[in-house]
Amino acid sequence: DADVTQTPRNRITKTGKRIMLECSQTKGHDRMYWYRQDPGLGLRLIYYSFDVKDINKGEISDGYSVSRQAQAKFSLSLESAIPNQTALYFCATSDGDLISSYNEQFFGPGTRLTVL
Amino acid sequence: GQQVMQIPQYQHVQEGEDFTTYCNSSTTLSNIQWYKQRPGGHPVFLIQLVKSGEVKKQKRLTFQFGEAKKNSSLHITATQTTDVGTYFCAGSRLDFGNEKLTFGTGTRLTIIP
Repeated sequence: DADVTQTPRNRITKTGKRIMLECSQTKGHDRMYWYRQDPGLGLRLIYYSFDVKDINKGEISDGYSVSRQAQAKFSLSLESAIPNQTALYFCATSDGDLISSYNEQFFGPGTRLTVL
Repeated sequence: GQQVMQIPQYQHVQEGEDFTTYCNSSTTLSNIQWYKQRPGGHPVFLIQLVKSGEVKKQKRLTFQFGEAKKNSSLHITATQTTDVGTYFCAGSRLDFGNEKLTFGTGTRLTIIP
């Protein structure tokens, strides 16, 4: 079974609709991230969380919100979707061991979102 | 804010030729990571470099971290069709510790058999 799962894998929606993307992990990691990927722009950080009570904005948080319901779950919401939010969305986790300064990230399979 | 640029954006090589992608940061990094994303897949961690001037090898892949810790490179010797994909560097900024990574724009490698 995959360590980091995302649902749904594909979603087509209309402008103005509320959408929630979900991420679950079985790695026991405290740190979770949401990225969006657009052609030619790489991966851009939307939000990240270091534990259940911690939520931080990334570089492109406008138009998005998140919820960390448990250590294993991190959801991304688009309150009112717009076409330029069409993208591939990835959830990632990391162990965040500050002592070793090692924070390899493990990515989920991605959610392809299309906003019409 | 921190910016991490990668060049080239695309690279087409004949199978067996070498390939290099370069990563440059606008700020000094505490460490740099490299990821590979196969077509239709998700990014997968390859390696992390921490020390100034560090060089690491994984079979045909050689990773370097610049002396000033602001640039890095990935070199693949004698490419194979399995090397196809997009290669991303990702840097952690020194004064932010290891809170998050800033990803480069990626280099998409295609192989001509």
